[in-house]
Amino acid sequence: AQRVTQPEKLLSVFKGAPVELKCNYSYSGSPELFWYVQYSRQRLQLLLRHISRESIKGFTADLNKGETSFHLKKPFAQEEDSAMYYCARMNYGGSQGNLIFGKGTKLSVKP
Amino acid sequence: DAGITQSPRHKVTETGTPVTLRCHQTENHRYMYWYRQDPGHGLRLIHYSYGVKDTDKGEVSDGYSVSRSKTEDFLLTLESATSSQTSVYFCAISERLAGSTDTQYFGPGTRLTVL
Repeated sequence: AQRVTQPEKLLSVFKGAPVELKCNYSYSGSPELFWYVQYSRQRLQLLLRHISRESIKGFTADLNKGETSFHLKKPFAQEEDSAMYYCARMNYGGSQGNLIFGKGTKLSVKP
Repeated sequence: DAGITQSPRHKVTETGTPVTLRCHQTENHRYMYWYRQDPGHGLRLIHYSYGVKDTDKGEVSDGYSVSRSKTEDFLLTLESATSSQTSVYFCAISERLAGSTDTQYFGPGTRLTVL
């Protein structure tokens, strides 16, 4: 079964420190990977798609096929980055692809 | 917010009662999904739909049924609610475009408590 692993349930850093949220996926060809963010009691929002190689709110993520990883990084964390972060990959089974999510990492940025 | 609403936003019910959650979209997207979110489990797919009257099961479909009679509405029904179905339920929509990566947009969620 295809899996997405986020090894850290909680990551706590101080404002201004670098942040790396880890995500590993089970190997399967060319995966389509995403990062979603959920601020307190809000809906999930798309943060990044690997295919577009964009930077949103200072976050970047690089696909490393050798390590089957898609870690999310930001050089200088801000308090407003505190949220739940979910890594997800597209699963093309059945009639339509669906997302497989990791269990999430809660990022807490302290002042 | 991609024109997705969910109703109700909060519900408390008793074990054994039927419950229906509604997801409504104004985007005319073909695909709709129901997920549940639980601490320590992330989001797990319950059911999804790839068109009117076309649905399929997800990872955790037991105890749930769905219906889609119109493009804009996707209903999730718990025939006989159990305490294990206490969760936050999210609806999502997507429109897979040829040659581009599918992106799912999420509704605001429904917090369901089964006593």
